[in-house]
Amino acid sequence: AQKITQTQPGMFVQEKEAVTLDCTYDTSDQSYGLFWYKQPSSGEMIFLIYQGSYDEQNATEGRYSLNFQKARKSANLVISASQLGDSAMYFCAMRTGPNFGNEKLTFGTGTRLTIIP
Amino acid sequence: DARVTQTPRHKVTEMGQEVTMRCQPILGHNTVFWYRQTMMQGLELLAYFRNRAPLDDSGMPKDRFSAEMPDATLATLKIQPSEPRDSAVYFCASGLNKGGAFFGQGTRLTVV
Repeated sequence: AQKITQTQPGMFVQEKEAVTLDCTYDTSDQSYGLFWYKQPSSGEMIFLIYQGSYDEQNATEGRYSLNFQKARKSANLVISASQLGDSAMYFCAMRTGPNFGNEKLTFGTGTRLTIIP
Repeated sequence: DARVTQTPRHKVTEMGQEVTMRCQPILGHNTVFWYRQTMMQGLELLAYFRNRAPLDDSGMPKDRFSAEMPDATLATLKIQPSEPRDSAVYFCASGLNKGGAFFGQGTRLTVV
């Protein structure tokens, strides 16, 4: 079975500071993908970043980067230079299986991030 | 701008009534997911389809929920009869074999 653990229910961070949101995962599959989603107060789910289990480089998308430590089974999201608009719920998720072909997208419980002006 | 479209955005219905939620996945995406989000349970997978075939609907109460993909441009989730405990936000998401899934804006269902 696949499991995603997010241990920080909430975080408060000063604007312009960097933020690290923790995510650990558990799977016996060798091939998997890790994802982060942002859910602002409007309720939509916004896809932020993706890391494949065989990718050698950590994924980056603008101010977002994924700190992938395979041996530790962690996939932390790093947001550089936080902005007020980053205040939202953040979900870590995983898909497993060859080409993730037949596996569902499993979500963690989320971390609510609040950026303080 | 390709996006997943869900209708309706909001639905209030009385207990016992049938509810149908619709989803138009992104053109070319062959995988469609239905999720339910509540405060208590978080994001739960209800069902998902690959090339219109259901792969897993184990998260769905079979006695009242049904999910179908009549064609590649339409996925439906039906609840009959609806109950107050079905009140939640229902998300549809689409993707490919690999990579992330892109979510629609959700349908907020309230059953009174």
